[in-house]
Amino acid sequence: DTAVSQTPKYLVTQMGNDKSIKCEQNLGHDTMYWYKQDSKKFLKIMFSYNNKELIINETVPNRFSPKSPDKAHLNLHINSLELGDSAVYFCASSQDRGGVGTQYFGPGTRLLVL
Amino acid sequence: DAKTTQPPSMDCAEGRAANLPCNHSTISGNEYVYWYRQIHSQGPQYIIHGLKNNETNEMASLIITEDRKSSTLILPHATLRDTAVYYCIGHRGSRSGGGADGLTFGKGTHLIIQP
Repeated sequence: DTAVSQTPKYLVTQMGNDKSIKCEQNLGHDTMYWYKQDSKKFLKIMFSYNNKELIINETVPNRFSPKSPDKAHLNLHINSLELGDSAVYFCASSQDRGGVGTQYFGPGTRLLVL
Repeated sequence: DAKTTQPPSMDCAEGRAANLPCNHSTISGNEYVYWYRQIHSQGPQYIIHGLKNNETNEMASLIITEDRKSSTLILPHATLRDTAVYYCIGHRGSRSGGGADGLTFGKGTHLIIQP
């Protein structure tokens, strides 16, 4: 079974559209994350959720809105897509008991905005 | 997260040990040293972590200097599938109130295993 899964794997869309990316983890972890990897391969944290509550919201445009219906899911909704949103988006999760939060990543969603 | 410095690229012959260095001179006492790698087109993969002591698992060994200002990741018998970008990250793990910070990825070391 895949520990952290994301759908879709590829997403091609037009500028101005609204799209969602879904993430699910079956590890029973408390915290989930969204990262963005741009064309220069820099990987940056966007959001962190713990038990369905937002912990971290880095400097991300408010067009990006994470939603966590339950502890196992963290979805990313993007409004009014722009060319600069083209990137690979990775979901991750971690179990944070005991002070160590090793993160496990999904396979990524490759978003291309035309 | 602590600032880390790694060489941009390294080569290693297949079957030999790959030793990847990392400097983290500003690491805090409560920050662990984590190593992740990213194989082309895949999500980052956890390798190993440590606080003060050297650590070993089925993937690698981690040697941390006594002053904690640097560390070395050792892949004992590198294979072609170990070709990847390796990231050294200083990270405190969980927060006292629950949850954890995101990881701060640098540029990493692009390790190329030569046949």
